[in-house]
Amino acid sequence: QITLKESGPTLVKPTQTLTLTCTFSGFSLSTAGVGVGWIRQPPGKALEWLALIYWANDKRYSPSLESRLTITQDSSKNQVILTLTNLDPVDTATYYCAHSQPNSGWFFDYWGQGILVTVSS
Amino acid sequence: DIQMTQSPSSVSTSAGDRVTITCRASQGIGSWLAWYQQKPGKAPKLLIYGASILQSGVPSRFSGSGSGTDFSLTISSLQPEDFATYYCQQAATFPRTFGQGTKVEMK
Repeated sequence: QITLKESGPTLVKPTQTLTLTCTFSGFSLSTAGVGVGWIRQPPGKALEWLALIYWANDKRYSPSLESRLTITQDSSKNQVILTLTNLDPVDTATYYCAHSQPNSGWFFDYWGQGILVTVSS
Repeated sequence: DIQMTQSPSSVSTSAGDRVTITCRASQGIGSWLAWYQQKPGKAPKLLIYGASILQSGVPSRFSGSGSGTDFSLTISSLQPEDFATYYCQQAATFPRTFGQGTKVEMK
């Protein structure tokens, strides 16, 4: 059974750095084709893809946020970490991590519950 | 970036109705398209990938079609639990991009 869960701060100040952790189970990021991505959703708005890390440590980023984003993995803990620097109130959103695999066309077939992050002073 | 444009933005309909949502890509994406359903306060759920392949466990009243730039999601007979927002997403290239969503509301 594949599960993912996001954790991290729910309130951060402008200009600070956000670090979110996705802790997963039921799969390994060492398995060929597997990936974990981050997607966010501002309140009442659409989904926005942020970043993705694959089994071979291949990393992909949204070009509009690439200078502020870093995605890493901690294989020993079954975690994927996303950092977003220089936060602004427009970064207020629910942040989701999600699993991707070839059997689902590399789309996101399992999602975490999401974590609402508010950026405010 | 490939832009994904959904229409309509919202649709008011009734249980039992047939509903079709469209998604247009700004450039060809082959069959690299998925549809997700999202209910308020919940994470999106993958319904269809590869433009027309039903994800395991998804009811057969959902179907997808299209290739290249034009795609559609059809719900053959809307059930009460289908009132939700639906998103398309392309995986042909990076960055991955989503449509703006289509809200299916009760008339």
